[in-house]
Amino acid sequence: DADVTQTPRNRITKTGKRIMLECSQTKGHDRMYWYRQDPGLGLRLIYYSFDVKDINKGEISDGYSVSRQAQAKFSLSLESAIPNQTALYFCATSDSSWQGNDNEQFFGPGTRLTVL
Amino acid sequence: TQLLEQSPQFLSIQEGENLTVYCNSSSVFSSLQWYRQEPGEGPVLLVTVVTGGEVKKLKRLTFQFGDARKDSSLHITAAQPGDTGLYLCAGVTRSNTGKLIFGQGTTLQVKP
Repeated sequence: DADVTQTPRNRITKTGKRIMLECSQTKGHDRMYWYRQDPGLGLRLIYYSFDVKDINKGEISDGYSVSRQAQAKFSLSLESAIPNQTALYFCATSDSSWQGNDNEQFFGPGTRLTVL
Repeated sequence: TQLLEQSPQFLSIQEGENLTVYCNSSSVFSSLQWYRQEPGEGPVLLVTVVTGGEVKKLKRLTFQFGDARKDSSLHITAAQPGDTGLYLCAGVTRSNTGKLIFGQGTTLQVKP
């Protein structure tokens, strides 16, 4: 079973609709992240959470919100989707206590979102 | 804004050729990572470099961290079709520990 799962894997929606993307992890990591990926722009950080009570905005948080329901769950919401939010969205986790590879992040398989 | 400039963005080569991907910044990083991403999947860590001037090898892949910790390179020797994918560099700064700053990515296609 995958350590980091994302649902749905694909979603097509219309402008103005509210959308929620969900992320679950079984790695026991305390840190979780949401990124969007667009061609030629790499991965850009939307929100991140270092523990259940800690939520922080990333570089492109406008139009998005998040909820850390439990250590293992971190969801991303688009309150009113717009076409330029069409992208590939990734959830990732990392372990602050790991003394190995500095800040290695483990990614889910991604959600492809299309806003018409 | 701290940026990681990655070049080239696209690379299409024949099997057996060598290639180098560059990752440059004006910022100093405490560590730099290289990830590889295949279609339909999330990025997977290849290596982390921490010390200025550090060189790490992973089979045919050689990773180098610049002496000033502002740049890095990935060199692939005798590329294989299985090397095809998106390569991403990502850095951590002392002021943003726990967060990664990603480069734009290099799409590599290795033709048989």
